[in-house]
Amino acid sequence: QVQLVQSGAEVQKPGASVKVSCEASGDTFIGYTIHWVRQAPGQRLEWMGWINTGNGNIKYSEKFQGRVTITRDTSASAVYMEVGSLRSEDTAVYYCAREMPIEYVWATNRYLDDAFDIWGQGTMVTVSS
Amino acid sequence: DIEMTQSPSSLSASVGDKVTITCRASQTITRYLNWYQQKPGKAPKLLIYAASNLQSGVPSRFSGSVSGTDFTLTISSLQPEDFATYHCQQSYSPPPTFGQGTKVEVK
Repeated sequence: QVQLVQSGAEVQKPGASVKVSCEASGDTFIGYTIHWVRQAPGQRLEWMGWINTGNGNIKYSEKFQGRVTITRDTSASAVYMEVGSLRSEDTAVYYCAREMPIEYVWATNRYLDDAFDIWGQGTMVTVSS
Repeated sequence: DIEMTQSPSSLSASVGDKVTITCRASQTITRYLNWYQQKPGKAPKLLIYAASNLQSGVPSRFSGSVSGTDFTLTISSLQPEDFATYHCQQSYSPPPTFGQGTKVEVK
């Protein structure tokens, strides 16, 4: 069973950048899609973007487009998420999560769906001057 | 974006109680709804996918159902390890969006 292990907590100043890593252990994650989700204090979980570790396709939330960069290193079984131009509102726990593809039949119809089945332990990023 | 609204935001319950949490979508999402459990300082854990399917290893006291745009997570008999925050998430239309969470506390 694959586990996702993230890099440690970070403290950064406003305007700086931070890069968080997410490494797979226990099994390969090649071919899966890895998402990034963050949770600011007292706020709901917020999706940021995903990368397909097989073909390298990437999709960002419109909110973070231009300020977030997601990359992969297949040789290291790792995915990275960099946030630039940090502001205090970016203080949050950042999670990577694996997308689990789902296929099922309901009322004679076939459905394709997905969920986040494996999560990293989270990386706390604090933005403070 | 599809807005997800959970109710209540928090509730107090005792071990053995039946607990029901509701999640409402701002538009139709058919059965594209997942539930997660999150304990303090931990990552969310997938409980239920596609509205009513139990993730492998999740106890059968957890169940999910749907009626229109209203989704329900039920814990049939609350156990000590179930005190946590529960989140719903829609996977119908990108971007995936989450509810604000429901905290289940000790009464």
